[in-house]
Amino acid sequence: EAGVAQSPRYKIIEKRQSVAFWCNPISGHATLYWYQQILGQGPKLLIQFQNNGVVDDSQLPKDRFSAERLKGVDSTLKIQPAKLEDSAVYLCASSARTGKAEAFFGQGTRLTVV
Amino acid sequence: GDSVTQMEGPVTLSEEAFLTINCTYTATGYPSLFWYVQYPGEGLQLLLKATKADDKGSNKGFEATYRKETTSFHLEKGSVQVSDSAVYFCALCSNDYKLSFGAGTTVTVRA
Repeated sequence: EAGVAQSPRYKIIEKRQSVAFWCNPISGHATLYWYQQILGQGPKLLIQFQNNGVVDDSQLPKDRFSAERLKGVDSTLKIQPAKLEDSAVYLCASSARTGKAEAFFGQGTRLTVV
Repeated sequence: GDSVTQMEGPVTLSEEAFLTINCTYTATGYPSLFWYVQYPGEGLQLLLKATKADDKGSNKGFEATYRKETTSFHLEKGSVQVSDSAVYFCALCSNDYKLSFGAGTTVTVRA
């Protein structure tokens, strides 16, 4: 089966610009996660969707970050305006059911803000 | 909230050495526990998992046992290879289905 697809793989923007990342989860996976991974740290959960509803967005900086999952399939994460400290790898993952199942990760998008 | 603490790296070993990476967790209820691995230039992938106390997860020669009494899920491999060089993450999925990760341990195996 196809894995989690993310695009773009790399993005370089200037601070105060906006950027969007796209994720297509594994077919049939109801749960979708967006994580931020800063170099040398573990992934930090930004937002978790169950189908097209938000389960947890407590660590999403809502003044600049937004995410949506229309129709409960693919998802977009947006940053506007970007700050230098947003430089990180943004990971998308999906899992098959609400239960405590393993998540499958995409390759990530490496964002550099200059 | 629920969280994971894993031993800090980096860890450098010679081929065929024994590897242990410690992981302890704090959680209410009964989380599922995972080890993920990130090879250079690649995405995160599941290495092994355990869903209840005393379960042992195993894969590619790696093992970890879910110890409720010590709230631990230590990763072990008896004889490492150069190809095991990677970053290893301990993770838990809590009762509210939130997936939380440790900081990661970088392992380098020298020939």
